[in-house]
Amino acid sequence: SQQGEEDPQALSIQEGENATMNCSYKTSINNLQWYRQNSGRGLVHLILIRSNEREKHSGRLRVTLDTSKKSSSLLITASRAADTASYFCATDEGFKTIFGAGTRLFVKA
Amino acid sequence: EAQVTQNPRYLITVTGKKLTVTCSQNMNHEYMSWYRQDPGLGLRQIYYSMNVEVTDKGDVPEGYKVSRKEKRNFPLILESPSPNQTSLYFCASTSFRQGRSYNEQFFGPGTRLTVL
Repeated sequence: SQQGEEDPQALSIQEGENATMNCSYKTSINNLQWYRQNSGRGLVHLILIRSNEREKHSGRLRVTLDTSKKSSSLLITASRAADTASYFCATDEGFKTIFGAGTRLFVKA
Repeated sequence: EAQVTQNPRYLITVTGKKLTVTCSQNMNHEYMSWYRQDPGLGLRQIYYSMNVEVTDKGDVPEGYKVSRKEKRNFPLILESPSPNQTSLYFCASTSFRQGRSYNEQFFGPGTRLTVL
């Protein structure tokens, strides 16, 4: 089953603009995580937000979690060309991990 | 350096020839997991292990086996590979937080498998 679904599937912006990606999920969770992947390489963890948290920041990243709507958003502020990558949300279903299909972000210099 | 290692990184094989992809972590993590990544489908969990000798199925376990005899190692075994198992495979590990959740996962560099 695919629990996390990202929206949009692809996003193209200019350097300096903000990028927002959304993730929806279906069942109750303990935590939601965002990962980044550069073209076919390993995933890098960005932020983990627990089910009792509503917002979390890390540098230029801001993540929100709305458990009533079963959704999360990842905001990257002042984007850079180096932010070009695929971004995935992942949720826990018991001890299983469910990833979404990802958002491909392209930041034009 | 804390890391998850996978071997081999690239593998081309033929249908039916048994193979093993190794995964090792040096962070003393309890939880280890295998994923496959296919275009347009994101990552799908194959198997996971919550500790030594404790393994469970993910969403796509058919055609795969795993074992967890030591805490640091979690090999993925394809007894009789088929072309539909051509994919990019990732191993990951993490520790448990108190209660019923775990922390962020650390991923290996990936193994690109082609089954002819």
